[in-house]
Amino acid sequence: DAKTTQPTSMDCAEGRAANLPCNHSTISGNEYVYWYRQIHSQGPQYIIHGLKNNETNEMASLIITEDRKSSTLILPHATLRDTAVYYCIVRVQGFKTIFGAGTRLFVKA
Amino acid sequence: KAGVTQTPRYLIKTRGQQVTLSCSPISGHRSVSWYQQTPGQGLQFLFEYFSETQRNKGNFPGRFSGRQFSNSRSEMNVSTLELGDSALYLCASSFPSRRRNTGELFFGEGSRLTVL
Repeated sequence: DAKTTQPTSMDCAEGRAANLPCNHSTISGNEYVYWYRQIHSQGPQYIIHGLKNNETNEMASLIITEDRKSSTLILPHATLRDTAVYYCIVRVQGFKTIFGAGTRLFVKA
Repeated sequence: KAGVTQTPRYLIKTRGQQVTLSCSPISGHRSVSWYQQTPGQGLQFLFEYFSETQRNKGNFPGRFSGRQFSNSRSEMNVSTLELGDSALYLCASSFPSRRRNTGELFFGEGSRLTVL
């Protein structure tokens, strides 16, 4: 079973930051937080992952709370092409990746 | 570097038939995972193979099976097809390495199966 809770859907204005929250209150010490997104009818795409430190790459930033019970994915300047379903996942390296329902992000012009 | 390749992209079968789907992982990746995606159930984990061995398995009936070859290519088979097997079947490869410690999944575009 998925170990994360995400809002079903969110809206964001184009050009603004999109902040997608994720709760993972039962996360274990050796479990990583991963984010993927799936644009309609395509395979999911890896975005970013982290263990306890905040992470940033060319796509997004990942903010993990100090107690690691929640995290936020930040798309700094959302575009229409960022409209997708975003999945937050916790997993131990080498173990199966279980996807939840995700958050459907709508970026509006 | 070529991505994950899945074949066929689309196929139509009838109830009772069987189907085999193929997945070629990214070169150098040794782990292959399979997922079923339907509108009602979302992304459901089927199984994962690493070095020709099934390492993890989801909650699917025995009609769903898979294997991995020595070149890391993988196939999954569904026998005695049912209408409910209509879905997008996704394959993902990864390069599990303790040293690199990433393990992100790289997905193919999927094989869309319609069972009539």
